[in-house]
Amino acid sequence: DGGITQSPKYLFRKEGQNVTLSCEQNLNHDAMYWYRQDPGQGLRLIYYSQIVNDFQKGDIAEGYSVSREKKESFPLTVTSAQKNPTAFYLCASSIGGGGLDSPLHFGNGTRLTVT
Amino acid sequence: SQQGEEDPQALSIQEGENATMNCSYKTSINNLQWYRQNSGRGLVHLILIRSNEREKHSGRLRVTLDTSKKSSSLLITASRAADTASYFCATGNSGNTPLVFGKGTRLSVIA
Repeated sequence: DGGITQSPKYLFRKEGQNVTLSCEQNLNHDAMYWYRQDPGQGLRLIYYSQIVNDFQKGDIAEGYSVSREKKESFPLTVTSAQKNPTAFYLCASSIGGGGLDSPLHFGNGTRLTVT
Repeated sequence: SQQGEEDPQALSIQEGENATMNCSYKTSINNLQWYRQNSGRGLVHLILIRSNEREKHSGRLRVTLDTSKKSSSLLITASRAADTASYFCATGNSGNTPLVFGKGTRLSVIA
């Protein structure tokens, strides 16, 4: 079955530690995205990548980093510089960008708790 | 930047009733999409309507788009308890730019 896999589902870290969230897709999609979801605030874009070895900042990129070394993989690192990292993180992919009538396919998210 | 704003924020109805959710946006769009999210899960794409379309149907879903008012509505007919979820609109603007999501409407369907 094609889809997007995010792991782990739950992640707990101490403040000051970096943590990397995994996102893998086997849909052969060019574009991949990371969103953050907080209660009552909908989805906010962290980073996106339209092609391997290239990525762009979204609206809330500060304190996060990404890499896109393979088409299938788009890991997100939450660094210690992120002031409020506890949130639900969603990874998505699409054939092309939003303006190209490309629906997003989402993973089932990683819930990160930092104490 | 969040472009779509859903209304209402929360909606509670009885099973069998229709549910209507609205989405307003600010700038011109290429398409508008609706997604559903069950609690603690990822979003699932429901329907996409292009800027030159006015209405689209998919099963019990009906979406309308009024570009002059910069608004869209999602109607779920004959709702079921399983329709309980959050519903988000997202706008696609130009080329390869990412979709922009609203804050969602939380729908509760009571059996």
